[in-house]
Amino acid sequence: SQTIHQWPATLVQPVGSPLSLECTVEGTSNPNLYWYRQAAGRGLQLLFYSVGIGQISSEVPQNLSASRPQDRQFILSSKKLLLSDSGFYLCAWINIGVSAFFGQGTRLTVV
Amino acid sequence: AQSVTQLGSHVSVSEGALVLLRCNYSSSVPPYLFWYVQYPNQGLQLLLKYTTGATLVKGINGFEAEFKKSETSFHLTKPSAHMSDAAEYFCAVRGDSSYKLIFGSGTRLLVRP
Repeated sequence: SQTIHQWPATLVQPVGSPLSLECTVEGTSNPNLYWYRQAAGRGLQLLFYSVGIGQISSEVPQNLSASRPQDRQFILSSKKLLLSDSGFYLCAWINIGVSAFFGQGTRLTVV
Repeated sequence: AQSVTQLGSHVSVSEGALVLLRCNYSSSVPPYLFWYVQYPNQGLQLLLKYTTGATLVKGINGFEAEFKKSETSFHLTKPSAHMSDAAEYFCAVRGDSSYKLIFGSGTRLLVRP
């Protein structure tokens, strides 16, 4: 069966520190993977998506980057966090029109 | 470009009452439309989807939605609200690329006893 793992669940980081959020999927190969951010009181903003190893599409210019080092691994990173990076980050594996699986999310608080 | 508008950031209903959550979309390609539910501090769960075919789609937990092309709408309904339905609901549309899924801003459903 298909599953998606995302960690950590909660993270508190100081301004200027680096970030690494990891997402892995099981039960499929060559998945389309996505990172979304949900800020307080706002909807889901698409940040990055990847259709294969090393292929990253960025939707919003910002302080974040993404990488796809392995077929079933998707990583969200930052070299230096800003206060505005706080939010709820969701990894998703989506085959549009067919299926979509979301991770449990990471609540990031930048202090 | 594709977009989704959800009218009402908060909707409050009494237990047993009709639930109606509104979603309007714009799309330059044949729309694929979705409703997701999010419980506190969790990811999203697919309620239902429309891709092609029957315009009235039924989902989990007694929810259904009707695709109305003339109105560019995909409203979510449930005949009788239950306390467990309290959550945030997101409408989504396939983007201009087959790889994009664009979400609305969400509607928080409150169910009063």
